[in-house]
Order: sequence, then C-alpha cells, then structure tokens
Amino acid sequence: SQTIHQWPATLVQPVGSPLSLECTVEGTSNPNLYWYRQAAGRGLQLLFYSVGIGQISSEVPQNLSASRPQDRQFILSSKKLLLSDSGFYLCAWSPSVDGYTFGSGTRLTVV
Amino acid sequence: SQKIEQNSEALNIQEGKTATLTCNYTNYSPAYLQWYRQDPGRGPVFLLLIRENEKEKRKERLKVTFDTTLKQSLFHITASQPADSATYLCALRYGGATNKLIFGTGTLLAVQP
Repeated sequence: SQTIHQWPATLVQPVGSPLSLECTVEGTSNPNLYWYRQAAGRGLQLLFYSVGIGQISSEVPQNLSASRPQDRQFILSSKKLLLSDSGFYLCAWSPSVDGYTFGSGTRLTVV
Repeated sequence: SQKIEQNSEALNIQEGKTATLTCNYTNYSPAYLQWYRQDPGRGPVFLLLIRENEKEKRKERLKVTFDTTLKQSLFHITASQPADSATYLCALRYGGATNKLIFGTGTLLAVQP
C-alpha cells in the first residue's frame, strides 16, 4: 500500500535561518506531489507541485523553493526564513484522478 | 479567480442527528469535487469524490450532492457520532492532469453526546 512520510513534525526556527522539510512516498511510482501551507484559521494554500523528477511549479511567489531530486522525494526549502513563513506545512500525493493522501504535517514556528 | 466558501461558523449538533455542511464556489466549473476530514494537528483525510455528472454519492453514513447549476455541494453525515467531530474541507480540482486542488477554509463540526 502507498504511504507518505513527512518530517519533522514540529520545528522552531529563528528568523533568517534556513529550512528543509522532506517528504517521501512509498508504494507508488511517478506520483504527482504537492506542498501546501495552512496558516492558523486559514485554508490550505498550494505552494508547489511536481509531476516528475526535477519538474517543479510554483503557485505563489514566496520565500520558499521546492525540489524533487528523486521520483518519490519532495523537499521544501528556504534560505532565510521570515516570520510570515510560520504555519502548518503539508505534503501530499495523488494518483492522476483521485483524492490526495496527505502526510502528517510539519508545524513550523519562526521566532 | 476561483473562490470556495464554506460556512466558517462551527456547526453544533446532537448525536444521532444528520449534519449538513455546505460548499459553494464561484468563477469555476470543476470536473470533480472532493471532501476531506481534518482533525486538529493532522493532515486532511480524503473522504469522497464526486464528478460533475454525478448528482449524489454515498459511502456508509456519508452522502455528498453536487449541483453544478447552483455551484454548490452538500455533505451529509447521518446518525452522527461524537467521533465525527472534526473540520470538514471541500476541494475543487483544477489544472487538468496535474490534479491540483483548491480548498475551502473548512467547517468545524461538533457532535454533542
């Protein structure tokens, strides 16, 4: 069966520090992969999506970047965090047409 | 731009009653609409998908309707239980083969014993 792993679960980082969140998927190949952010009391906002290795599309301009170095690995990064980057980050994958499977999320607090 | 609206007010109902949640959208003609459940501090969990040519979809105690004329979906939980308490999100698919989703802000359901 397919599983998705996301880590770390929580992270407290100072402003200006770098960020790396990792997501891996098991049990499937060539999945569509997504990074969403959920701010407190807000809906999920799509940040990046990828349809294949090295193929990254950004939905909104921001202080973050994403990479897909392997078929089932998706990484969210930042060189210098801002306070506004705080939030709940979720990785997800989907078959071509079906519901998403989300990771357990990373709660990021920038202080 | 596409906009999805869900009732931001929490919905409080008594155990055993039917909960009905609403999702309205504008500026969009989605081929699919999905519903998710999200518990505090957890990622959303996929519940149901309904296509534009389907009026109704059922799964156990869950029922979803999709009215493309009204641009509205209703999500029903029959015989509700306290364990059904959670935030429920609706999502619309866009972007073709990329299967990107735009989510509503969710409605918090609280089922009282």
